[in-house]
Amino acid sequence: DGGITQSPKYLFRKEGQNVTLSCEQNLNHDAMYWYRQDPGQGLRLIYYSQIVNDFQKGDIAEGYSVSREKKESFPLTVTSAQKNPTAFYLCASSPGTGDTYEQYFGPGTRLTVT
Amino acid sequence: AQKVTQAQTEISVVEKEDVTLDCVYETRDTTYYLFWYKQPPSGELVFLIRRNSFDEQNEISGRYSWNFQKSTSSFNFTITASQVVDSAVYFCALSDVFSGGYNKLIFGAGTRLAVHP
Repeated sequence: DGGITQSPKYLFRKEGQNVTLSCEQNLNHDAMYWYRQDPGQGLRLIYYSQIVNDFQKGDIAEGYSVSREKKESFPLTVTSAQKNPTAFYLCASSPGTGDTYEQYFGPGTRLTVT
Repeated sequence: AQKVTQAQTEISVVEKEDVTLDCVYETRDTTYYLFWYKQPPSGELVFLIRRNSFDEQNEISGRYSWNFQKSTSSFNFTITASQVVDSAVYFCALSDVFSGGYNKLIFGAGTRLAVHP
């Protein structure tokens, strides 16, 4: 089955620790994205990547970092510099340019920092 | 600025009622796409529909229908004969194209729909 996997589903960390969220896709999509969702709010874009070894900041990139060493993988690191890291994080991918703009989403990781 | 407004924060209906979720958008672009996603309690966003700005025909898929009106910048979603399984948060989104042609989605805040037996 093709799709996007995110692990773990729930993640708990102490304040001051960096934490890395996994995102893997086997859809052969070029573009990948990370979104953050807070209660009662829509999704906000953290980072996106168009191709391997390239990524760009989204609307709320401060306190986050990413890498794109493989087409299928786009891990997100939440650093200690992120002031309010507790949130639901969603990874997505899309085929890329052209008429296809649909994004496919993973199941999400709920991060709690105390 | 690109913006999506879902004014209804929460809607509660009884099973078999019809319900309409409103979506109003703002965009500077002449070509754009609009989307609806469903987020059930499990958390994963499920794609429901994509609509091109040049196609103003309404669309029906089973109990779901969408009304796109460019004149009022609205893309409303109606569920006919709602069921408990329709309970979820529904997001309307607007495409925004980055330089280079890759897309970004601008989401509304979502509408939480609760369907009671």
